[in-house]
Amino acid sequence: EVQLVESGGGLVQPGGSLRLSCAASGFTFSSYWMHWVRQAPGKGLVWVSRINGDGSSPSHADSVKGRFTISRDNAKNTLYLQMNSLRAEDTALYYCASGKQELDLYGMDVWGQGTTVTVSS
Amino acid sequence: DIQMTQSPSSLSASVGDRVTITCRASQSISSYLNWYQQKPGKAPKLLIYAASSLQSGVPSRFSGSGSGTDFTLTISSLQPEDFATYYCQQSYSLPRTFGQGTKVEVK
Repeated sequence: EVQLVESGGGLVQPGGSLRLSCAASGFTFSSYWMHWVRQAPGKGLVWVSRINGDGSSPSHADSVKGRFTISRDNAKNTLYLQMNSLRAEDTALYYCASGKQELDLYGMDVWGQGTTVTVSS
Repeated sequence: DIQMTQSPSSLSASVGDRVTITCRASQSISSYLNWYQQKPGKAPKLLIYAASSLQSGVPSRFSGSGSGTDFTLTISSLQPEDFATYYCQQSYSLPRTFGQGTKVEVK
């Protein structure tokens, strides 16, 4: 079964750090672009970051650039999001998702269940 | 950044109704437009990719059309399980951007 399982969310103070993980199974993880997408409570979907199959081409939204870092360990079939200098506005449910095809032009077809990040003092 | 604008933001409909949701891009995105369905407490689900291609396992009552800047998601006969929020998303360029969502509610 194709599956993505996120972990690592929690409550953190403003200025703090968290590392999210996304464990993949059931598909050839190293062949696919991977994304992080977040959703603040009661709000819409917002793209955060993506990374290519071998990890050589990460990209981030301007709102997190310089604070968040996406990475992957293909030997462990795991995607990461290192989140530093967290702000209240980073509070959200964070999803990992895989690009539908290897060119990452056709949406995200596999999603995890999400992990919640709450930034509050 | 490419802005995606959906309309309406919400709609009320009955089972059996034909429902149409539109999505407009702030610049041409060719056919790199995808549609997702999200139910409360659940992850988004890919319905349509490349503007008009039906994702595997998605019922044929869902269809998509359009190219350039204007796109449409149509549900031909609304079913009880279709009450949800729908998002469009462009995969033409970075940053990937989503529409604000359209909530389909029971009339």
